[in-house]
Amino acid sequence: DTGVSQNPRHKITKRGQNVTFRCDPISEHNRLYWYRQTLGQGPEFLTYFQNEAQLEKSRLLSDRFSAERPKGSFSTLEIQRTEQGDSAMYLCASSLAGPIDTEAFFGQGTRLTVV
Amino acid sequence: GESVGLHLPTLSVQEGDNSIINCAYSNSASDYFIWYKQESGKGPQFIIDIRSNMDKRQGQRVTVLLNKTVKHLSLQIAATQPGDSAVYFCAEIPLTSGGSYIPTFGRGTSLIVHP
Repeated sequence: DTGVSQNPRHKITKRGQNVTFRCDPISEHNRLYWYRQTLGQGPEFLTYFQNEAQLEKSRLLSDRFSAERPKGSFSTLEIQRTEQGDSAMYLCASSLAGPIDTEAFFGQGTRLTVV
Repeated sequence: GESVGLHLPTLSVQEGDNSIINCAYSNSASDYFIWYKQESGKGPQFIIDIRSNMDKRQGQRVTVLLNKTVKHLSLQIAATQPGDSAVYFCAEIPLTSGGSYIPTFGRGTSLIVHP
């Protein structure tokens, strides 16, 4: 499968625990995005990387959220001290930046439930 | 139409009819637009894109129209099929040199196709 891969697909955690999600983008894509989606809403942008550089992180929801892309390939999104309001679908997308930017391809998402 | 509360705008059509889904975008600097289809429990799937130097683009059974004067985008689906039932999102992307490249999504429209 050469698409965007996200793991795990589902995560149930207790309030206060930390969780980490992984995203493997399409291999030649240099841009990687994280979005959050709640029921009935469109994807809400969180952060994005170009290669290993995190170019926009001001829209991360709080300082409990952090993301990394250490080698410019896969990325992780961590939520510390989870709250029930963090329950949502977390989506990753990747694209290729160049003279003409390409569309962002999305993974299947990780559905987080905080109990 | 306009959304109210948490309920998505909904378009119900009969199988075989043509569907038109509308989207108003907000950023006059947006230069690239994408329509995505999202089925329940899955990530958004690319359908068709259009750049601002065009006002119409056709794909297989789908046509996107762009009116930059009124910042309006539409997706036309010909001969709608039950498999087209999903939520449809438009995403706008400003192409600013050296700036952030962040696909921004609207709330979406739920398309229901009745057999």
